[in-house]
Amino acid sequence: GAGVSQSPRYKVAKRGQDVALRCDPISGHVSLFWYQQALGQGPEFLTYFQNEAQLDKSGLPSDRFFAERPEGSVSTLKIQRTQQEDSAVYLCASSPRTGTSGNTIYFGEGSWLTVV
Amino acid sequence: GENVEQHPSTLSVQEGDSAVIKCTYSDSASNYFPWYKQELGKGPQLIIDIRSNVGEKKDQRIAVTLNKTAKHFSLHITETQPEDSAVYFCAASITGGGNKLTFGTGTQLKVEL
Repeated sequence: GAGVSQSPRYKVAKRGQDVALRCDPISGHVSLFWYQQALGQGPEFLTYFQNEAQLDKSGLPSDRFFAERPEGSVSTLKIQRTQQEDSAVYLCASSPRTGTSGNTIYFGEGSWLTVV
Repeated sequence: GENVEQHPSTLSVQEGDSAVIKCTYSDSASNYFPWYKQELGKGPQLIIDIRSNVGEKKDQRIAVTLNKTAKHFSLHITETQPEDSAVYFCAASITGGGNKLTFGTGTQLKVEL
């Protein structure tokens, strides 16, 4: 597709349930990012992939959060044993090049997670 | 780590007036400063960006200025239109950080008829 595609767009999970959020980056983009956006706040960095390598996971809030990009394209963010504080919009973004600051980052529409 | 502050949190202007949003950053190593527009229920959309080797950049009704010494940058929107109403975020990143962006807290801009 032309842009970053995320699914599901909306997810309601019961507390304790596991969820998986999918991201299809723009074709050919090397860099992929996950951000978390709480209501009324700016996006906060979770993790970064360069191709299939997860180079930075410093923003993942706990070991319940896990991300992968096994073939260097599609990525999945998994949250185990969801808690109410996990409720947020999870944004995926991609960028065409690596490392060097200043490469334009394109965001998807986000996956809205509500934990009840 | 980097810290980005953004002001004001809300801004209401009359159609046709100008709007200015200001951000400050803490890490002098930051060298890339994008601005994103986010409409309700959508992802952030890049509207303009500036790199630390320039002081000003303009694209039609939108301009961004950067003062590296003071570590602040601003977004200027002229001749505002109702469709400019949205939340605007500034961000900063550091070379070599994998483009890890640190965002401000956002400005809700409302353009009134």
